[in-house]
Amino acid sequence: GIQVEQSPPDLILQEGANSTLRCNFSDSVNNLQWFHQNPWGQLINLFYIPSGTKQNGRLSATTVATERYSLLYISSSQTTDSGVYFCALIYNQGGKLIFGQGTELSVKP
Amino acid sequence: ETGVTQTPRHLVMGMTNKKSLKCEQHLGHNAMYWYKQSAKKPLELMFVYNFKEQTENNSVPSRFSPECPNSSHLFLHLHTLQPEDSALYLCASSQSGARVNQPQHFGDGTRLSIL
Repeated sequence: GIQVEQSPPDLILQEGANSTLRCNFSDSVNNLQWFHQNPWGQLINLFYIPSGTKQNGRLSATTVATERYSLLYISSSQTTDSGVYFCALIYNQGGKLIFGQGTELSVKP
Repeated sequence: ETGVTQTPRHLVMGMTNKKSLKCEQHLGHNAMYWYKQSAKKPLELMFVYNFKEQTENNSVPSRFSPECPNSSHLFLHLHTLQPEDSALYLCASSQSGARVNQPQHFGDGTRLSIL
């Protein structure tokens, strides 16, 4: 089946620092989503990004579908950015989401 | 507010109890999903419903019984659960179609603890 790999698995940042999270996938997919899961378990949609680049405030994402990867950029990180970041691929059939293992981010004050 | 509401938010039950989780979406979507997430692991798909019909059962034990009476409501009936079933259960919805895969929107989840 399709494989989704995220890196790094863990990341510790000082408040104000920038970071890049990566998602590699093994097969062509229809679309891709990035999520932030906060410490309370809420899964928040960040981006729906089949290709190209999108920006939302301090966050931006780029997907290069032909090369099978996506990047999530966090600039000027804040403590509220802490949590786990998942990328998930929408598989061709039936909208099934395949999740990566996640990157656990901790932003220190 | 994601447009997907799950109740209850927390549930503690014994192994012999019967309970149900409820999910309601106000987004006009035609597909709904149940996911299980154990202890900081990735979400695992359990069930998919398209237009009230179950289209995916990811080898889920029969002690979990889904019900989808209409496109806006999804239930997960629980009975005779095991301690390893303790997890966060997340519901999602999307607009699904043969050629269109739209983003999934998630509820806040039900945190289930089995005693």
